[in-house]
Amino acid sequence: RKEVEQDPGPFNVPEGATVAFNCTYSNSASQSFFWYRQDCRKEPKLLMSVYSSGNEDGRFTAQLNRASQYISLLIRDSKLSDSATYLCVVRRDTDKLIFGTGTRLQVFP
Amino acid sequence: DTAVSQTPKYLVTQMGNDKSIKCEQNLGHDTMYWYKQDSKKFLKIMFSYNNKELIINETVPNRFSPKSPDKAHLNLHINSLELGDSAVYFCASSPRDRRNTEAFFGQGTRLTVV
Repeated sequence: RKEVEQDPGPFNVPEGATVAFNCTYSNSASQSFFWYRQDCRKEPKLLMSVYSSGNEDGRFTAQLNRASQYISLLIRDSKLSDSATYLCVVRRDTDKLIFGTGTRLQVFP
Repeated sequence: DTAVSQTPKYLVTQMGNDKSIKCEQNLGHDTMYWYKQDSKKFLKIMFSYNNKELIINETVPNRFSPKSPDKAHLNLHINSLELGDSAVYFCASSPRDRRNTEAFFGQGTRLTVV
């Protein structure tokens, strides 16, 4: 079992839709949590950090449930440009970032 | 003024050869990483260095040897390349002691072993 698990998708949604991705992690010692975005043939880039109280950045909302070891990402009003792979990332200690397998999102017109 | 730069971007080579990938970061970060992304797109950590010191060595074959001449550079040397080494290799860096900070990735090196 992988340390960080995600549904690989793909999620195919129309423009304007709301879509949610989930992620679970197995190591309760995990300290920091992130969502990264990776476009086709590009490097991963930080989308947003995830805080215990939940946080929002424009159309993106991230939530963390430490008790259930569960992280979510909600995208509202999807745009064509949101099409990418979304990677759930957990930092277990200061030297190691563990990536989930990624969830692929395809937004269609 | 690229933050994390890797060279080469593409590398095609024959089985059995030895090759190196170079990585440099100009962000002043203490920690650098090598990740491998295979054909299934799974991004797996290989090595982590902090201030030139090896911190993490995931179960990677001995044919892979990282070298950090200084904290701004982390190179990856691969001996006796095999077909299964074909993948995209990403270098990344991050500050060490700040838990909520992100890692910055290079553009990746697409290695094809034929």
